[in-house]
Amino acid sequence: DAKTTQPNSMESNEEEPVHLPCNHSTISGTDYIHWYRQLPSQGPEYVIHGLTSNVNNRMASLAIAEDRKSSTLILHRATLRDAAVYYCILDNYGQNFVFGPGTRLSVLP
Amino acid sequence: DGGITQSPKYLFRKEGQNVTLSCEQNLNHDAMYWYRQDPGQGLRLIYYSQIVNDFQKGDIAEGYSVSREKKESFPLTVTSAQKNPTAFYLCASSPHRGSYNEQFFGPGTRLTVL
Repeated sequence: DAKTTQPNSMESNEEEPVHLPCNHSTISGTDYIHWYRQLPSQGPEYVIHGLTSNVNNRMASLAIAEDRKSSTLILHRATLRDAAVYYCILDNYGQNFVFGPGTRLSVLP
Repeated sequence: DGGITQSPKYLFRKEGQNVTLSCEQNLNHDAMYWYRQDPGQGLRLIYYSQIVNDFQKGDIAEGYSVSREKKESFPLTVTSAQKNPTAFYLCASSPHRGSYNEQFFGPGTRLTVL
């Protein structure tokens, strides 16, 4: 399974943008990049996914490097409800999701 | 409302007993999954099912068993052969198993073996 590397933790101030990085230097051409987040004692929830182009949805934006070896999840204005563990996952059709330890995001009021 | 339900939320069992965790979905999804999560760790895949009456082992299937007799139900049995069963168990589903499909997760069952 292709691996991802994320910082263990990050901090942000409320209402400021947050950039969560993910390295995936061994990504293959058919791997999709998925982001999920998990609030304490809850199941993960889908945030966004992409293949090559940058993606936007109501929750976040996903910026994918031109060589696809890294990506960044962007929360445009962090709120206290965004405090969670964020997982960056590579998904190749038919293969298993591999959830690493993720990045624990703290949002300060 | 469509979604995934898991019951119970908390479960306590004595060592050596088998226990079955429930997972039901009304999203009409073909694929269903069971994950295990230990404190401070990511999720690890136990079993998955792409269609009724079919299921496959994930990365840590030893000591677990599943069945998929109905599309909406995918129960997980934690057997006495599982050496360290205390963990947070998460069930998920997706329309099909593939790259485009978001996985929808249930609220989880926290199992404690005494």
